[in-house]
Amino acid sequence: EVQLVESGGGLVQPGRSLRLSCAASGFTFDDYAMHWVRQAPGKGLEWVSGISWNSGSIGYADSVKGRFTISRDNAKNSLYLQMNSLRAEDMALYYCAAGSDAFDIWGQGTMVTVSS
Amino acid sequence: QSALTQPASVSGSPGQSITISCTGTSSDVGSYNLVSWYQQHPGKAPKLMIYEVSKRPSGVSNRFSGSKSGNTASLTISGLQAEDEADYYCCSYAGSSTPYVFGTGTKVTVL
Repeated sequence: EVQLVESGGGLVQPGRSLRLSCAASGFTFDDYAMHWVRQAPGKGLEWVSGISWNSGSIGYADSVKGRFTISRDNAKNSLYLQMNSLRAEDMALYYCAAGSDAFDIWGQGTMVTVSS
Repeated sequence: QSALTQPASVSGSPGQSITISCTGTSSDVGSYNLVSWYQQHPGKAPKLMIYEVSKRPSGVSNRFSGSKSGNTASLTISGLQAEDEADYYCCSYAGSSTPYVFGTGTKVTVL
């Protein structure tokens, strides 16, 4: 079964850090670019960051540039998002997604709550 | 990079056809044939419905079709069914600086 499973979300204070993980199974992980997409409660989808199959190309939304770092480990079929200097506006459900020109495969998301 | 503009809501009766528009700029929708559409039911993850403007992934009903003209892309749902009631988001490639931008989302209601 093709699957993406996110983990690492939780409650964090403003200014602190959190690291999200995404475990892939059921497909050839290193054939795909990978992305993080978030959705604030009751709001729409926002692309956060993406990384090519070999980590050679990386991109970030302006809203997280300089604070978030995406990485992947193809040997472990895993994707990561290191989130530093978290803000209230970063509170959202964070989805891991696979695909190059579109997001073919989605996980169920992990919730990040930023609050003091 | 601003979000692509979609109507907040669209509704139709079972069996009818509806069209959702997605308006961007010459820097995103107008420059690339890399528009995709996603269906999201409440509490669920998004699902890819259309990619590269008009292509359907395996398993997606042929009642869903996509097109593009200039800076505006469209998703048409034909033969509307109760199960089509969901939120729909478009997404476009927007260049190497900030590669992807989503639309504001459209709630489809089946009357």
